[in-house]
Amino acid sequence: QVQLVQSGAEVKKPGASVRVSCKVSGYTLTELSMHWVRQTPGKGLEWMGNFDPEDGETVYAQKFQGRVTMTADTSTDTAYMELSRLRSEDTAVYYCATDRWAPLDIWGQGTMVTISP
Amino acid sequence: EIVLTQSPGTLSLSPGERATLSCRASQSVGNRYLAWYQQKPGQAPRLLIYGASGRATGIPDRFSGSGSGTDFTLTISRLEPEDFAVYYCQHYGRSRTFGQGTKVEIK
Repeated sequence: QVQLVQSGAEVKKPGASVRVSCKVSGYTLTELSMHWVRQTPGKGLEWMGNFDPEDGETVYAQKFQGRVTMTADTSTDTAYMELSRLRSEDTAVYYCATDRWAPLDIWGQGTMVTISP
Repeated sequence: EIVLTQSPGTLSLSPGERATLSCRASQSVGNRYLAWYQQKPGQAPRLLIYGASGRATGIPDRFSGSGSGTDFTLTISRLEPEDFAVYYCQHYGRSRTFGQGTKVEIK
């Protein structure tokens, strides 16, 4: 059974960077394409992009181009999402999710990132 | 980028009633790559429907999806208490976009 376990909550200052991790268990990361989705407080879901560990290909949503980097460490089956030049509007819950049998059918528990001066 | 517009924003219904949610795309969705998710407060979204009409594993048959091209519908035939939540549609091509969501609330 595939499970995604994310790192804990973060508090960052404006202008800083944050890195969120997503550890895969029950499967091998190289066989999964990892997506990242965020949800700002009281708002909807926003797809940020995805990373394919097998070939290193990334697809980023236009909104996050130049600020987001998605990577993976296949030796530990862990995916990472780093967002730089943080601003208050980046306060959100960040989810990793993957297409195991169907689109985004497996989700992590979410990581709250708070941007505060 | 395909823009998805969901309607209505909020649907107020009673348990046992039928819910009909709409998702309209700004351009045709190829291969019917349209999914629906349910989200409850404090939880990650859960996949309900993919390929416009295929039910994900473990999803009750009161949930059904239909549509093609630019117009898609999620129907909940008889609302159960646990179905009151927010529902999102998503296009899943090379890039992905979500609709803004429809909240189904108890009337």
